[in-house]
Amino acid sequence: KAGVTQTPRYLIKTRGQQVTLSCSPISGHRSVSWYQQTPGQGLQFLFEYFSETQRNKGNFPGRFSGRQFSNSRSEMNVSTLELGDSALYLCASSLEGQQETQYFGPGTRLLVL
Amino acid sequence: DQQVKQNSPSLSVQEGRISILNCDYTNSMFDYFLWYKKYPAEGPTFLISISSIKDKNEDGRFTVFLNKSAKHLSLHIVPSQPGDSAVYFCAARDNYGQNFVFGPGTRLSVLP
Repeated sequence: KAGVTQTPRYLIKTRGQQVTLSCSPISGHRSVSWYQQTPGQGLQFLFEYFSETQRNKGNFPGRFSGRQFSNSRSEMNVSTLELGDSALYLCASSLEGQQETQYFGPGTRLLVL
Repeated sequence: DQQVKQNSPSLSVQEGRISILNCDYTNSMFDYFLWYKKYPAEGPTFLISISSIKDKNEDGRFTVFLNKSAKHLSLHIVPSQPGDSAVYFCAARDNYGQNFVFGPGTRLSVLP
């Protein structure tokens, strides 16, 4: 079974731009969560989507948004990029009710200059 | 304010010896805990979990201990192997939420 895939793997943007990251979950997984990883902060939860609906949201500004499509693929968008948005963005998928064993993708490393 | 803390950013251990990674939490409502391992350029992978109704869970070379009164858990790896070199994240969930709060991670280096 193919794992969680994320595209692109690396991205360089400048302040003020916007960016869209993509995540394809494991086949059959309907829940997709997004995390931001920065040095010293660990993984911080952004949001979770299930059946095209945002089910949970972390403590991030409205510049961070996401969506999920009918095939469970998910995108997250960050508008008006700031230098502090430079991070590794991880996507994780899981079966419904099995958040305990979510499977992570390799991440998209975003650098904002 | 971090609810899950891993106060050691890094740890070095000799191959064959025990590795002990520590995690402290502040929220007494946390009732389920996970450890993840992360290699460079890969996403975290689930390692082992423990529910608050237990104080120990063992899986092969990996054992997690939970001390609820101290709000402390630890991951023991015995014996440590060079392939265990990775960043280890502790994560916790409360019984109302559906999402996990992660610690900042500890980088383990197992020296041959």
